[in-house]
Amino acid sequence: DGGITQSPKYLFRKEGQNVTLSCEQNLNHDAMYWYRQDPGQGLRLIYYSQIVNDFQKGDIAEGYSVSREKKESFPLTVTSAQKNPTAFYLCASSIGQGRSSGANVLTFGAGSRLTVL
Amino acid sequence: AQKVTQAQTEISVVEKEDVTLDCVYETRDTTYYLFWYKQPPSGELVFLIRRNSFDEQNEISGRYSWNFQKSTSSFNFTITASQVVDSAVYFCALSGRGSNYKLTFGKGTLLTVNP
Repeated sequence: DGGITQSPKYLFRKEGQNVTLSCEQNLNHDAMYWYRQDPGQGLRLIYYSQIVNDFQKGDIAEGYSVSREKKESFPLTVTSAQKNPTAFYLCASSIGQGRSSGANVLTFGAGSRLTVL
Repeated sequence: AQKVTQAQTEISVVEKEDVTLDCVYETRDTTYYLFWYKQPPSGELVFLIRRNSFDEQNEISGRYSWNFQKSTSSFNFTITASQVVDSAVYFCALSGRGSNYKLTFGKGTLLTVNP
């Protein structure tokens, strides 16, 4: 079955440590996204990538980094510079603007919950 | 700038009741898209509907229906004869050319359907 796999599902981190969240998709989608969700808040865009080897900052990119070396993979690193990293992180993908017009439907992974101790 | 407001933070109903989730949006784009997503307790967002700004016809899918009114900038979602499995957080989202089609999400409405 096609879909998005995020790992780990739960992650605990000590302050000052960097952690990397994995996101893999087998949907042959060009675009991938990372969102952060806090209790009672909507989803806020951290980074997105429309094509391999290219990515752009979203609304809250500070303290995060990404890479897009393969079409299928879009890992997110939460660095020690992120002041309040405890949150639920969602990865998503879509066909991408190059193969469609207008707004694309996003397919989401099951999320990764990061807790800083 | 785009904005989506879901004024209802939490709604609680008894099974079989009808419930309407409100969504009001702001955008300067003339071409835009509206979405509803469902987030069950498992955490994964599930796509429900996408509607573009040129199509104001209401849509019905089983027990779900959507009322799009450009005059009031609203895109409300109604669940008829609610069921316990409908319990989830529901997000309304907006996408337009001005934001390069990135999605702007509302804060979500937590719907609890009690047996």
